[in-house]
Amino acid sequence: GQNIDQPTEMTATEGAIVQINCTYQTSGFNGLFWYQQHAGEAPTFLSYNVLDGLEEKGRFSSFLSRSKGYSYLLLKELQMKDSASYLCAVLDSNYQLIWGAGTKLIIKP
Amino acid sequence: DGGITQSPKYLFRKEGQNVTLSCEQNLNHDAIYWYRQDPGQGLRLIYYSQIVNDFQKGDIAEGYSVSREKKESFPLTVTSAQQNPTAFYLCASSKGQGATDTQYFGPGTRLTVL
Repeated sequence: GQNIDQPTEMTATEGAIVQINCTYQTSGFNGLFWYQQHAGEAPTFLSYNVLDGLEEKGRFSSFLSRSKGYSYLLLKELQMKDSASYLCAVLDSNYQLIWGAGTKLIIKP
Repeated sequence: DGGITQSPKYLFRKEGQNVTLSCEQNLNHDAIYWYRQDPGQGLRLIYYSQIVNDFQKGDIAEGYSVSREKKESFPLTVTSAQQNPTAFYLCASSKGQGATDTQYFGPGTRLTVL
């Protein structure tokens, strides 16, 4: 079966750095997405990785290792508004998105 | 402004009733998707459509129906056959499937069965 694993919840301090991991086992791979979702709202796109390596976009960076079935989202200089759930999703061989359950990130002052 | 709209934001249904959730997009996207989100679970695909007058079942299509008569619109009907319909329903669209297109989401409809 297809599976995406993320930690359920993480806590970090304002101004710090946090890394949210995602491991996947899917039938084929056509890319990995990270979305941010604030409570009660729609997911919003953060990043897309299809090649190995690190993609940096402002305070957020996303890393992919296809051989290890592993990705992480790195958030720097954390702000209170970063408190949200972060969803990892993999595009499988049929171009269907397989979603993880999300990681709830709590930022403390 | 281009975007995806869903209505209503909150919906209450009595058991045994069918309800229809609206999804409209003016992004000129070909593909539209319906997802269901439950606490502690990933998004699950209900139905999707890549072209007008055509749609495919997702992983959890039982108890749901859709239509795609216009490119802009993809309404979802939750029928009385759906055993546990209380959930957050999200509509998303992308330029077209078969490509690594980003999906953009509407604000969602929270359905509660009374």
